[in-house]
Amino acid sequence: GAVVSQHPSWVICKSGTSVKIECRSLDFQATTMFWYRQFPKQSLMLMATSNEGSKATYEQGVEKDKFLINHASLTLSTLTVTSAHPEDSSFYICSAHRGRADTEAFFGQGTRLTVV
Amino acid sequence: AQRVTQPEKLLSVFKGAPVELKCNYSYSGSPELFWYVQYSRQRLQLLLRHISRESIKGFTADLNKGETSFHLKKPFAQEEDSAMYYCALSAPPGSARQLTFGSGTQLTVLP
Repeated sequence: GAVVSQHPSWVICKSGTSVKIECRSLDFQATTMFWYRQFPKQSLMLMATSNEGSKATYEQGVEKDKFLINHASLTLSTLTVTSAHPEDSSFYICSAHRGRADTEAFFGQGTRLTVV
Repeated sequence: AQRVTQPEKLLSVFKGAPVELKCNYSYSGSPELFWYVQYSRQRLQLLLRHISRESIKGFTADLNKGETSFHLKKPFAQEEDSAMYYCALSAPPGSARQLTFGSGTQLTVLP
């Protein structure tokens, strides 16, 4: 199977600091990864599409300067929440596909971010 | 823009009873539809997709283009089916595009 790993699984940070979340495809290469945000008891909302070697594509309403995405290699995408505030507290999930024509998404285990 | 609607947030059935989780979608073309499941303390994983026309863990789902629905069904629910179920749409179909998720249905199968 295809495994996507996120790190850390949970993080607590102080307001104003930045937090980096990693998403790795362990046994396949992913030119595209997706970042989702999930509020308690709500669905997953797509934040951005991470493209290897190029700029991420952000969904409407997502601040690109606040949620920095870097996809420097075919197996790693990072999401950095800059100058975090309590309202950024959420569950962040990434996903990847094994190939451009493979429509099955493989999800990371998610990262619980709490900003205090 | 595409949209996925799951009208039931919570659904409880007794073990052995039939279960149907509803999903309706809106999309101007022909999308690819999926059901993803999240068991307690586990990550989201694919349950089935409409193009496969397969039965997974006893679940089936038929794409009804006339009603724009993709309801998930199982004739005899088991306790291990208790989980969060998300209907999702991928458009355009046949490509690794981002998914649009429904709000999810928490299924509880009672003993």
